Amino acid sequence: QVQLQESGPGLVKPSETLSLTCTVSGGSISSSTYYWGWIRQPPGKGLEWIGSMYYSGSTYYNASLKSRVTISIDTSKNQFSLRLNSVTAADTAEYYCARHDNRGSISGPNWFDPWGQGTQVTVSS
Amino acid sequence: SYELTQPPSVSVSPGQTASITCSGDKLGEKYVSWYQQKTGQAPALVIYLNNKRPSGIPERFSGSNSGNTATLTISGTQAMDEADYYCQAWDSSSVVFGGGTKLTVI
Repeated sequence: QVQLQESGPGLVKPSETLSLTCTVSGGSISSSTYYWGWIRQPPGKGLEWIGSMYYSGSTYYNASLKSRVTISIDTSKNQFSLRLNSVTAADTAEYYCARHDNRGSISGPNWFDPWGQGTQVTVSS
Repeated sequence: SYELTQPPSVSVSPGQTASITCSGDKLGEKYVSWYQQKTGQAPALVIYLNNKRPSGIPERFSGSNSGNTATLTISGTQAMDEADYYCQAWDSSSVVFGGGTKLTVI
């Protein structure tokens, strides 16, 4: 079955750029059925969606983060990536990548399944 | 922006039925998904398209969505069901998560 694995630095300095990659195995990132998304969870808090991208380039972003976020896809490596610039301590969180299913609705992608195990990112000098 | 509201906590006795609600304006017109997150683990999908169960999810998990409220119901709750539960919907080209509900089995 499809598995996702996040990778990237666990520590980022304030004002710098957070960069994470999600590697997809067991399935193609170029499938027409799915978007590919990033979700984060600050310590002790709830889930916050960051954005989702289709293999062709169509992208949805959380409006509150849109000015600082870029999601990209590398179909040759079956990977997608997150870049979040000008980070502050408020960006400290567990970051998850997940497959975002596009079936069942014409309005947009619906559910996330499966999820990666998550990677902790701390913003500190 | 669209908001989904969940109770912060719900308690249930083993073997009883737990109901976790998720409220939002005209939520019944949208599709709702539910996720279970156990301590130290990534979230896992338990309900999608309001009432569909993914493969491997026990039949005791069910969902409904009508009016302004979606409900996740766990029948015959077991100790292993103790976790945080999040609802999620799609609105205006954006994903929205509820704040989460901590289910305690006591």
